[in-house]
Amino acid sequence: QQQVKQSPQSLIVQKGGISIINCAYENTAFDYFPWYQQFPGKGPALLIAIRPDVSEKKEGRFTISFNKSAKQFSLHIMDSQPGDSATYFCAASLGLIQGAQKLVFGQGTRLTINP
Amino acid sequence: KAGVTQTPRYLIKTRGQQVTLSCSPISGHRSVSWYQQTPGQGLQFLFEYFSETQRNKGNFPGRFSGRQFSNSRSEMNVSTLELGDSALYLCASSLAGGGQGSYNEQFFGPGTRLTVL
Repeated sequence: QQQVKQSPQSLIVQKGGISIINCAYENTAFDYFPWYQQFPGKGPALLIAIRPDVSEKKEGRFTISFNKSAKQFSLHIMDSQPGDSATYFCAASLGLIQGAQKLVFGQGTRLTINP
Repeated sequence: KAGVTQTPRYLIKTRGQQVTLSCSPISGHRSVSWYQQTPGQGLQFLFEYFSETQRNKGNFPGRFSGRQFSNSRSEMNVSTLELGDSALYLCASSLAGGGQGSYNEQFFGPGTRLTVL
């Protein structure tokens, strides 16, 4: 019940296209859903995060869509660029119960943007 | 502002040995969390420290332990190393005041790559 399932494992998108990564969770007590981007040799960096009281959040080319009833959320990267090539992780935490520091991560998606 | 720093960046040990990894959080951050990253299990939460106290703990055996000092720097220790402990160990820090009802962003360091032979 503490798992977050992420798909696909890998994704290849043409430059300028839309990259979509999906995550699903079981624990309805999760109340904080961040997305992280990780480049080789670096630690994950927060891209964007959402709370379940909103259905969508947009920051630049990055958008999170959140479907509370389906227990799913997704990351959309518009106008994908070669510099977006990285591994992306979704995560969830029980912020109200434990604080957002204890993150449960999805398995990651390796995104490649072809020029 | 300097980011999260971790030392050493790379480490090679043999089975049965113990290892200590160090993490210096961003200045002003009092919460430090540790994660293990492996290709098979992904990113898994180890534990979190705040004000020198362990506040959250993941599902790892007692061989994994940690501590936090009064300056918020943290160390984690793994005793009796096993081959399966080979991983990237990541430290993350967040602003003071975390805990229940907090949603402070976590900033990750570059990690320590531990190889157990």
